Order: sequence, then structure tokens, then C-alpha cells
Amino acid sequence: AQSVTQLGSHVSVSEGALVLLRCNYSSSVPPYLFWYVQYPNQGLQLLLKYTSAATLVKGINGFEAEFKKSETSFHLTKPSAHMSDAAEYFCAVTTPPAYNTDKLIFGTGTRLQVFP
Amino acid sequence: DAMVIQNPRYQVTQFGKPVTLSCSQTLNHNVMYWYQQKSSQAPKLLFHYYDKDFNNEADTPDNFQSRRPNTSFCFLDIRSPGLGDAAMYLCATSRDRERAHHNEQFFGPGTRLTVL
Repeated sequence: AQSVTQLGSHVSVSEGALVLLRCNYSSSVPPYLFWYVQYPNQGLQLLLKYTSAATLVKGINGFEAEFKKSETSFHLTKPSAHMSDAAEYFCAVTTPPAYNTDKLIFGTGTRLQVFP
Repeated sequence: DAMVIQNPRYQVTQFGKPVTLSCSQTLNHNVMYWYQQKSSQAPKLLFHYYDKDFNNEADTPDNFQSRRPNTSFCFLDIRSPGLGDAAMYLCATSRDRERAHHNEQFFGPGTRLTVL
């Protein structure tokens, strides 16, 4: 079975400050991991994904995440927050294709607020 | 641009009155998903199609049904909507798992359902 835990349902930062959104996973097989962003009244948009290649993954809008197997973590970071980053962020896990799973398992989400 | 389209974006229905939400995709993806997302919660998978193979989640109420007449279209039918069914409904697609596309899912903008 797989699961993800997002620590902190709400995170607030000042514009220009570091953004750190935490995600820890549980998986009995090597995981594939994703971060999605959701703006109000919109669908989810993929920010970045880890699929067993480089452990440091760069995504869109200046975000990146590092896969740390020893810590079972996949935290999302951005060096300098922008007002437009305010949104809901979801971490998700799935299995590699060989396991024939079509599903993503989502975390409960973290709402990021950015203050001027 | 290839995309996932959901119509309508906002749907209002009456308690007990059947409603159908639609999703279409120009990505030619094999897998299509329907999620229910309530306020401040993660998307909850209702069911998905792998081609024409229908996969229902164990906890999806019988009130929810789906049709996929062809690769491009998928419909969500709510036979007798209750107040608790008011939510955002998200459609998503992903490629054939055999092509090792890691279950990356592409989401539509969602349909917000209101039940009066």
C-alpha cells in the first residue's frame, strides 16, 4: 500500500521568502512522486515529478523537489515566493509502470499563502 | 493545444434531479479518471477507464455512474444528487501504462456542482 503525508495544511510566507512544503511518503515498492498545484476553481497542474532518475527534480515556476529515500521525503521548495504562488499544493505517489497501477494517491494538500 | 475539457464549468441541479457532467480530451490518452473534490480536501477517485475497461472504486456510491462511448469522451452521471454530492468534479487522463508514462495525469478545469 502507498500513502503520502503532507505536514502542515496551511503555510504562510512573505513575498521573496523561501517556500518549503513538506511531503513524506510510504511505499512498499520504489515510488514515483508528483507535486501538483491547484489554483482556485481550477484543475490540478503538474509542477514536477520524480520517476527514479535524478533525485533533485526541477519543475515549472521555479519550484524543485528532492527525493530522499533515507527520509522517505519529497519536499517542495522555491527560493523566493511570488504572490502568484498562492494556491493549494498536492503531493502524490504511484508505482512504476511494471506494477500496472493506474492510480495516483494524493496527500491532503497544503494551502500556501503569500503576503506582500 | 491538446487538452482536457470539461463542460459545463458550473452546474446547478435540484435535489434528486439527475445530472450529467462531460469530459473530452484531445490527448488520445487511454486512461480517463473521474474525481470528486470537496472543499479543502484532496481529490477522491470515483472510477477510471483503461480503454473501455471500467474500474470502480469500492467506496464509490451506486448513485454515481459513468460512460465512455469512445476514446475522447467520458461522462459522469449522478442519478439522484443529494446535498452531500455538491463538490468539484475533476476529469483527468493519462497515457497507456505500457508506454511507461508513470501515471502522470492531466486534469481538466473541473465542474463545480451545486445541489439545491
